Amino acid sequence: ETGVTQTPRHLVMGMTNKKSLKCEQHLGHNAMYWYKQSAKKPLELMFVYNFKEQTENNSVPSRFSPECPNSSHLFLHLHTLQPEDSALYLCASSLAQGLSYEQYFGPGTRLTVT
Amino acid sequence: DQQVKQNSPSLSVQEGRISILNCDYTNSMFDYFLWYKKYPAEGPTFLISISSIKDKNEDGRFTVFLNKSAKHLSLHIVPSQPGDSAVYFCAARRSGGTSYGKLTFGQGTILTVHP
Repeated sequence: ETGVTQTPRHLVMGMTNKKSLKCEQHLGHNAMYWYKQSAKKPLELMFVYNFKEQTENNSVPSRFSPECPNSSHLFLHLHTLQPEDSALYLCASSLAQGLSYEQYFGPGTRLTVT
Repeated sequence: DQQVKQNSPSLSVQEGRISILNCDYTNSMFDYFLWYKKYPAEGPTFLISISSIKDKNEDGRFTVFLNKSAKHLSLHIVPSQPGDSAVYFCAARRSGGTSYGKLTFGQGTILTVHP
């Protein structure tokens, strides 16, 4: 595997379910990011991890809970979501926050909350 | 408050012609600008970038122009090809403050290149 991978690619969940999104990067990077992309809106940064430490939480509701066990893996734990949380969730990585310019994205997880 | 704006939701161009995608920004703390391209069912891929100390950067068919006084950048694709049909996102990077290194994205422009 190369680049940034995300699983699952598609997820349908009810409002009472608990699920997790997984991201893995094979680029040797030290910063990882979660973004949300809703229809016709800009990519919204949710969380940033730099060397496994969370450095940014962009006022994200607590029903989204990130986890970064190491620099290569990033999870987004979901529970009691709302229909308006349906969106494309993108993971990205970069060399290190503030020291790099380009971020490299995974293919995303298309989430539908019913 | 949207600090990076792409005011054209879509653009349609004939194959072989020039495509010009525009982006405006409001934050003077941005020091680096990037363009990403996104195909359906894929994540955005980095295309080309420009530092705030330059006004032009060229890479093959792709050229990015930066006008700092107008807080405006544009992406030129010449000649346009059908395979260039995708969503193009403009992004800007902060140079300082607590959000150092953070990227702020525009809402994207859908480019369609007709054969």
